[in-house]
Amino acid sequence: GAVVSQHPSWVICKSGTSVKIECRSLDFQATTMFWYRQFPKQSLMLMATSNEGSKATYEQGVEKDKFLINHASLTLSTLTVTSAHPEDSSFYICSARRDSSTEAFFGQGTRLTVV
Amino acid sequence: AQSVTQLDSQVPVFEEAPVELRCNYSSSVSVYLFWYVQYPNQGLQLLLKYLSGSTLVKGINGFEAEFNKSQTSFHLRKPSVHISDTAEYFCAVSFSGAGSYQLTFGKGTKLSVIP
Repeated sequence: GAVVSQHPSWVICKSGTSVKIECRSLDFQATTMFWYRQFPKQSLMLMATSNEGSKATYEQGVEKDKFLINHASLTLSTLTVTSAHPEDSSFYICSARRDSSTEAFFGQGTRLTVV
Repeated sequence: AQSVTQLDSQVPVFEEAPVELRCNYSSSVSVYLFWYVQYPNQGLQLLLKYLSGSTLVKGINGFEAEFNKSQTSFHLRKPSVHISDTAEYFCAVSFSGAGSYQLTFGKGTKLSVIP
């Protein structure tokens, strides 16, 4: 149990376009989902925390209008990178937590390349 | 502010040799501690966690870690490594009482097992 599926696993897009990444909890209801960004050979940096049905809480320095997060249901959160630029190229990872659990389960990650 | 320090960015070790990956944290409140493993272009997999109770925690793949409160450490150990253990390892901490259980990650340690 406790599987988190992230889609797509990789995507290449043109500069100026928008890309949507999905994060689904397959066998549990995720009250909280987290979005991370990971640069090559670096650690995971938390971008935002989202709770189902409410607005996401963004970390300092993360542009809300650029990285749109929607957590419309207890099993799905989406991250949309709007007007992507090459500097947005990165590895994006989501994680999901269910109620009463101290553990967060991670998706497989999405490699975004903006050309 | 809370932080996690992984003292070694890279650790090469011969196959079947023991290994220790070091992790220290700083916090003024009680913590939960985690070790995750990441294989290339994949998400994170939980190796083990410390929430409370016994300070020696056993995880998957033969790994174990010991929580040392006085030294604020949570070092990861394995008595005999395999080639398949080659990966990036992240120590993470969340703070008990934090409503969303956000994780703060160390910068990671790349374990390279040499045949």
